[in-house]
Amino acid sequence: QQQVKQSPQSLIVQKGGISIINCAYENTAFDYFPWYQQFPGKGPALLIAIRPDVSEKKEGRFTISFNKSAKQFSLHIMDSQPGDSATYFCAASTRNTGFQKLVFGTGTRLLVSP
Amino acid sequence: NAGVMQNPRHLVRRRGQEARLRCSPMKGHSHVYWYRQLPEEGLKFMVYLQKENIIDESGMPKERFSAEFPKEGPSILRIQQVVRGDSAAYFCASSPLAGGQETQYFGPGTRLLVL
Repeated sequence: QQQVKQSPQSLIVQKGGISIINCAYENTAFDYFPWYQQFPGKGPALLIAIRPDVSEKKEGRFTISFNKSAKQFSLHIMDSQPGDSATYFCAASTRNTGFQKLVFGTGTRLLVSP
Repeated sequence: NAGVMQNPRHLVRRRGQEARLRCSPMKGHSHVYWYRQLPEEGLKFMVYLQKENIIDESGMPKERFSAEFPKEGPSILRIQQVVRGDSAAYFCASSPLAGGQETQYFGPGTRLLVL
């Protein structure tokens, strides 16, 4: 019940296209859903995050869509650029633990071709 | 403001040796988290510490692994008698507060290779 399932495992998108990565969870106590971006040899960096009181959050070219009833959330990258090529992780946590005990998905390796 | 620092960045150990991984949180951050990332997998929570206290170590193996965050100095993740299965990237993160609302800032990781 603590798992976060992420798909696809890898994704190739043309420059200018839309990249879509999906995640699903089971634990209804999760109340914080961040996305992290990780470049090779680096640590994950917070990209954007959402709480379940909203269905969508947009920051620049990055949008999170959240479907509480389906227990799914997704990351959309508009106008994808070669510099977006990285591994993306979704995650979830619940404040019931008293701290942000992040449960990560398995990651999506995105390649944006020029 | 320097980010989270981890050292060493790469560590090679032979089976049976000890590995010591260090994490210096961002200035002003008193909460530290350790995660392990196995090849081709996501990060897995290991332990959450505040200064001089282990708050949650539910993700840390009971044997051979220990963590500390002393009043002065970096947080240390210690792995005794390493085995090949310990080969992974170990990331620490820090935050200025806790409670479920905090943002965790990750360091660059220590890549441990056990021969």
